[in-house]
Amino acid sequence: QKEVEQDPGPLSVPEGAIVSLNCTYSNSAFQYFMWYRQYSRKGPELLMYTYSSGNKEDGRFTAQVDKSSKYISLFIRDSQPSDSATYLCAMSDMDAGNMLTFGGGTRLMVKP
Amino acid sequence: GAVVSQHPSWVICKSGTSVKIECRSLDFQATTMFWYRQFPKQSLMLMATSNEGSKATYEQGVEKDKFLINHASLTLSTLTVTSAHPEDSSFYICSAFPGTGNEKLFFGSGTQLSVL
Repeated sequence: QKEVEQDPGPLSVPEGAIVSLNCTYSNSAFQYFMWYRQYSRKGPELLMYTYSSGNKEDGRFTAQVDKSSKYISLFIRDSQPSDSATYLCAMSDMDAGNMLTFGGGTRLMVKP
Repeated sequence: GAVVSQHPSWVICKSGTSVKIECRSLDFQATTMFWYRQFPKQSLMLMATSNEGSKATYEQGVEKDKFLINHASLTLSTLTVTSAHPEDSSFYICSAFPGTGNEKLFFGSGTQLSVL
C-alpha cells in the first residue's frame, strides 16, 4: 500500500462544474498538506497549503483536511478549461526534513 | 510565492555525453533543494536532497556517480547527468525549500531530457 493514495483519473467534467479531488494517507504523523497543479511538461505550482485539520479557501479553491480520517480534499468551484491539469497532493511530517510525500496525481479535464 | 528558475527547459544530447541542469532560487536563499524525476503520466520521484555546502543525500536506487549534484551556494544547485543513455531520458524537476519555519516547497519549471 502506498503511503499516499490518489485516484489517477482522468476526471472529465463540463465547464462550470464543481470538482472534488481527494487523497488518503496512512502516516498519522503528517502535519502539512499541500495541493499542487501541474500542467504538461511544467513544474508543479503550489495551489493550497494547510497545516493540520480544517478548511482553507482561496478564490475558487477550497482545501479540506480531516486528520481523523486521514483524508484530504481539494474543491474547485466554477471549473474552467484552464483548470485542466494534473493535481498532486503532497504532505510532510515536520520531522521528515521537509521532504514531501506525493500522491500519484489526478488528471483533470474541464470541457468547454 | 517564491520563484525557482530551472534551466534549460529542454535538452537533446547524444548517448555518452554529460548534461548539466541548473536550479536557482531567485528571491530567497535555499538551504535545501530537491531533485525529482518524472516519467510520463507518473508522479514525482525524489532522486536526491541537496544541502548547501555538503554532500547530497541520494534516494535508494539512484546512482550518485551518474547523477552528480552540487549545491555550492544558497541560490544554486546543479544536477549533472553523466554519460547519459536513452534510459535517462525523462523530465527532471528541482525544488527549493526556503528554510526552517517555512514548510512550503517551490518547484522549478522542469527540464525535459532526451538522450538519442
